[in-house]
Amino acid sequence: DIQMTQSPSTLSASVGDRVTITCRASESFSKWVAWYQQKPGKAPHLLIYKASNLESGVPSRFSGSGSGTEFTLTISSLQPDDFATYYCQQYNTYPWTFGQGTKVEIK
Amino acid sequence: QVQLVESGGGVVQPGRSLRLSCAASGFPLRDYGMHWVRQAPGKGLEWVALISYDGTNISFGDSVKGRFTISRDNAKNTLWLQMDSLRAEDTALYYCARGGRGLDSWGQGTLVTVSS
Repeated sequence: DIQMTQSPSTLSASVGDRVTITCRASESFSKWVAWYQQKPGKAPHLLIYKASNLESGVPSRFSGSGSGTEFTLTISSLQPDDFATYYCQQYNTYPWTFGQGTKVEIK
Repeated sequence: QVQLVESGGGVVQPGRSLRLSCAASGFPLRDYGMHWVRQAPGKGLEWVALISYDGTNISFGDSVKGRFTISRDNAKNTLWLQMDSLRAEDTALYYCARGGRGLDSWGQGTLVTVSS
């Protein structure tokens, strides 16, 4: 199975900060990575698919990049609505696997 | 718009069975692979199972393989997850999700608690 190691597990940041979350895969593959945002008591919400494609309706301050074994999610200017937990997921190979999650907290 | 509504969760004793349902609307279910994902209380997301758009391709996560089965009826716009030999570690909120651009639509989940 492909393991997705996500870091950091917790991130404290302020409104307006640039934030980067990283996922490292245990095997190399090209682009089949998605990123999700989850708020307490809510279902996850797709932000990015195929490593760098912005889902419709998602603000442009979110971006994704990477290939091989390293993938990143960047929030260019953190907004109050962005405080949440973020997950990466590989869908290159079954079983699909998620990272452990990154909780973005208010500094 | 796309809507996924899970049902069938509840409290069940270890070793017993439970069947979850997911009612889909707002899109042609027959065109999409469908997934189950779970989240134990206070924990992260765990992918559980896939069924392809026509039901011919099925895959499971390692922790449920051999105990869970997945099925669908496109005419009824419904997806199911049959869970047998349940264990305490299967306690979680179970989401159904549409496979497209990753998992692009999710239901609100149904809670399964395995406890004696």
